[in-house]
Formats: sequence, structure tokens, C-alpha cells
Amino acid sequence: QSALTQPPSVSGSPGQSVTISCTGTSSDIGNYNRVSWYQQPPGTAPKLMIYEVSNRPSGVPDRFSGSKSGNTASLAISGLQAEDEADYYCSSYTSNITWVFGGGTKLTVL
Amino acid sequence: QVQLQQWGAGLLKPSETLSLTCAVSGDSLSNYYWTWIRQPPGKGLEWIGEINQSGSTNYNPSLRSRVTISVDTSKKQFSLKLTSVTAADTAVYYCARATRITMRVWGQGTLVTVSS
Repeated sequence: QSALTQPPSVSGSPGQSVTISCTGTSSDIGNYNRVSWYQQPPGTAPKLMIYEVSNRPSGVPDRFSGSKSGNTASLAISGLQAEDEADYYCSSYTSNITWVFGGGTKLTVL
Repeated sequence: QVQLQQWGAGLLKPSETLSLTCAVSGDSLSNYYWTWIRQPPGKGLEWIGEINQSGSTNYNPSLRSRVTISVDTSKKQFSLKLTSVTAADTAVYYCARATRITMRVWGQGTLVTVSS
């Protein structure tokens, strides 16, 4: 199974907004709303930020939002803060009864 | 609050078998898929496979021939075995609790290095 496609890096200044895309196929993102986003600061385990395309777990700021259109999911972060700097990964359930992750996107807060 | 505590050998030689265990506390094994994920140094996440309480498994096709995930319900533990390791298997290995919706709870990660 091929990894989902994410941009290697994005950046923004404090207070700005950024969007990270995640492109899959009709066998994963396009067929299921089981898309999640994870935040991973260096040296730590991934933390769930978004599940089922657009749902936030308790404790995740509403600056984080998710959406999906066709085979592409997106994570939007508004009002960027220095603490948002991390790697971000998308994941999707697949028709093979497996999960697939994106290659990861490094967010730099300038 | 559910916690996952994982352990296992951190240094292996090529051709050896990787063995990791993850203990579940604060929750039952029921209704979840107990999952292994890995992350090579400086690279992205890769889903390895999962098991439920009944012992039903699903594996990443690219690793299926070398992977076995098992569960010990009496100890509330699940384990990963990966045979015939090479340097390409060097990674941080995570255990996680999953549903068919997402992977919400993760272990702390274990670095496994394969080197002669």
C-alpha cells in the first residue's frame, strides 16, 4: 500500500493560518471518513488532533480543523502559535482492512 | 485513564527476531484493536498491524510474511514479533489502542536498532 501524499514542509508566521493537504485514493480517503491527523513534536509520540475528518478530541484547540474533498483531506491551523511547530501526519483506513499514513509535513512557525 | 507501557530488546543483529510487548492499564482489551506502528529515524509512520481481544489479526501487506502479533488477555498484554530483521527495520516502534475510527492512545515508543 502506498503512503498518503503530504507536502514535506509548510511554514507561517505567528497569528497566520496554514493548511496541510493529504492526498490518497478511492481505496482510502475517497471511500472512508476515517481520516485522522496527528501532531508529533521532536522526540515524542504522535498526538491525535483530528479524527473522522473533522472531529477534535477533548483538549485540542478549535484553531485546528479538518476537512475532506474527494481523495484529499486537509488540516487547517489558524492563529499559529510557536507551540504548533511539529511534524503532522494524516492517516486513513483502507479497503484492505489496514491503515495508511502520510509521509508527514514539518510545520515551521517563523 | 488508559495507559500503554511497552518494552523489548533495543539492539539486534541482522537476521534476528524483534520482540516487543505492550501492557494495557486502565482499560479492558474489549472493543479495541491493539496496534503496532513504527517510524524509522527521520522518516514517517508505518502501520504494522493489529489484533483484537479474540486474536483476529490484520497486517501490513509489505510486512505480513515476517510479522506476528499476539495477545495475552490474562496479562492484558499484546506483543509484536518481526523475524529476519535488517537495518531497514531500525525504527521507533509504537504500540497503540485503535478503533475503526482512529488511533487515539499511543505508547511511549521503543527504539530498536539493527546493527552487526
